[in-house]
Amino acid sequence: DSGVTQTPKHLITATGQRVTLRCSPRSGDLSVYWYQQSLDQGLQFLIQYYNGEERAKGNILERFSAQQFPDLHSELNLSSLELGDSALYFCASSVGGENTDTQYFGPGTRLTVL
Amino acid sequence: LAKTTQPISMDSYEGQEVNITCSHNNIATNDYITWYQQFPSQGPRFIIQGYKTKVTNEVASLFIPADRKSSTLSLPRVSLSDTAVYYCLVDRSGTYKYIFGTGTRLKVLA
Repeated sequence: DSGVTQTPKHLITATGQRVTLRCSPRSGDLSVYWYQQSLDQGLQFLIQYYNGEERAKGNILERFSAQQFPDLHSELNLSSLELGDSALYFCASSVGGENTDTQYFGPGTRLTVL
Repeated sequence: LAKTTQPISMDSYEGQEVNITCSHNNIATNDYITWYQQFPSQGPRFIIQGYKTKVTNEVASLFIPADRKSSTLSLPRVSLSDTAVYYCLVDRSGTYKYIFGTGTRLKVLA
């Protein structure tokens, strides 16, 4: 158990809908990262927050957005969902915001778009 | 952005040493290389991190040649429980973009 929690574990929805994925980092960690893992694309970095501020942006679509709240938990919002958005979404956390910090991954949220 | 390439799969037998290589031709001066292990339906788990030469911890060794265009994860005496997918990650210092490799599916046979 990494100490990172993600809810929900599974999510099934329809195209065009909007969903919110939630992540609670390990106690004391200030950075939160979001990744998408699909069969054909592998692990893709989406975005990183550090202490409430956006720190780095990866291949995140404009339909997706994220935020980190004062209590350091984070939410990833996915809107206008398409079939291709079906994937595992992982959240990770680290103590600081440096690129060398070890990232601890949560168990993931499996999103299925029908 | 740095692109990383790994073999898609490898088979090994219990008790053998396994070496998995990752190619990262465009690695920048300040980038570090990190390896993660992932079991089915779980998030990746940190194994080891290095910058150059050799790093060793209680579970693995990481070899990085002088030109740093590749790195090799070495798992000594693997067991059945080491069956997993192994990813190398180049964390782009300065731009903070985390580039995971394609992953190597290691199967350990009895």
